[in-house]
Amino acid sequence: DGGITQSPKYLFRKEGQNVTLSCEQNLNHDAMYWYRQDPGQGLRLIYYSQIVNDFQKGDIAEGYSVSREKKESFPLTVTSAQKNPTAFYLCASSMTGGFYGYTFGSGTRLTVV
Amino acid sequence: DAKTTQPTSMDCAEGRAANLPCNHSTISGNEYVYWYRQIHSQGPQYIIHGLKNNETNEMASLIITEDRKSSTLILPHATLRDTAVYYCMRGMDSNYQLIWGAGTKLIIKP
Repeated sequence: DGGITQSPKYLFRKEGQNVTLSCEQNLNHDAMYWYRQDPGQGLRLIYYSQIVNDFQKGDIAEGYSVSREKKESFPLTVTSAQKNPTAFYLCASSMTGGFYGYTFGSGTRLTVV
Repeated sequence: DAKTTQPTSMDCAEGRAANLPCNHSTISGNEYVYWYRQIHSQGPQYIIHGLKNNETNEMASLIITEDRKSSTLILPHATLRDTAVYYCMRGMDSNYQLIWGAGTKLIIKP
């Protein structure tokens, strides 16, 4: 079955460490996105990518980095510069320009210890 | 402002129709209205979208007012599994950014 896979489901990070969250899709979607969700809040866009080797900052890109070397993969690195990284991170993909076609992964819950 | 306005929470009895309102008074002519829902600690799930006409699919119906300033999502026969946060959003198909508000927390009661 086609879908979008995020790993790990839970991640613990020590302060000062960089961590990378994985996102893989086999839907042949062009666009991929990373969102952050805090308790009781809606989703906020971190980065998005429309094509391979290209990506744009969203509303809250500071302290995060991404790469898009393959169409299927869009990993997110939470750097030590992100001062409050504890959150629920969601990856999504869609066909170019299709909001109705958003498919989300099951999320990664990151906790700083 | 590209945001929408939704009530914070709503209750509905199981088996009854759940009607979730959304205000998008500044929507432009080429923006769609989208509805997603998120069950606790899962990724959001697409429900339905529309531009001008009312829409229906196997999950829900979307009623958009003639002036397009507001819409209502209807779950015709709500079940306990419909308990979730429902997000109403607006956006253009050529744009890649949807603005996610806090949504409406819908609680279905037995």
